[in-house]
Amino acid sequence: GAGVSQTPSNKVTEKGKYVELRCDPISGHTALYWYRQSLGQGPEFLIYFQGTGAADDSGLPNDRFFAVRPEGSVSTLKIQRTERGDSAVYLCASSLQGYNSPLHFGNGTRLTVT
Amino acid sequence: QQQVKQSPQSLIVQKGGISIINCAYENTAFDYFPWYQQFPGKGPALLIAIRPDVSEKKEGRFTISFNKSAKQFSLHIMDSQPGDSATYFCAASRGSNYQLIWGAGTKLIIKP
Repeated sequence: GAGVSQTPSNKVTEKGKYVELRCDPISGHTALYWYRQSLGQGPEFLIYFQGTGAADDSGLPNDRFFAVRPEGSVSTLKIQRTERGDSAVYLCASSLQGYNSPLHFGNGTRLTVT
Repeated sequence: QQQVKQSPQSLIVQKGGISIINCAYENTAFDYFPWYQQFPGKGPALLIAIRPDVSEKKEGRFTISFNKSAKQFSLHIMDSQPGDSATYFCAASRGSNYQLIWGAGTKLIIKP
């Protein structure tokens, strides 16, 4: 079946601009996660949704980052006033439930802030 | 205390050989230890995971060995194949599958 789908695969934006990154999880997966991965490092947790609500947003670095999942399926990660330090691969993952269910990652969106 | 130290940083193994990647942790409260495989341009994929109540878990050519007293765990890839060439990450967490503390990754190259 289809895996986690992320769009766009690449996004180049200018410093100060607003960007939206989209994640379409595996059908039926109630849990959705956003991570950020810098070159040569493991993914850094950002936020976890269980259904429509953010169950854990402790990884969001500051208030420029926001994510929504209004219908409990597709999620959008929103970054305001982008900075060059935001450049990274943003990964989305989903799991059947929370906690003990294995994570299934998408291929990520490579964000470059110039 | 939250770190997971992974070694080596890179590894070259001949086809058919055994690849071994090691990880060490400090936090004895960790209770979930997954290994992820990542190909260039792709997201990480869960390879195999273990909990501290067992000392070894095998799935096909992949084995996790877990030493609770030494606070170490390792990934063994038997009969390594060129298709296994990827970056491997170990990770650990306490009480969840997502608040993972990741190792720095090992770039594995299998020479034909």
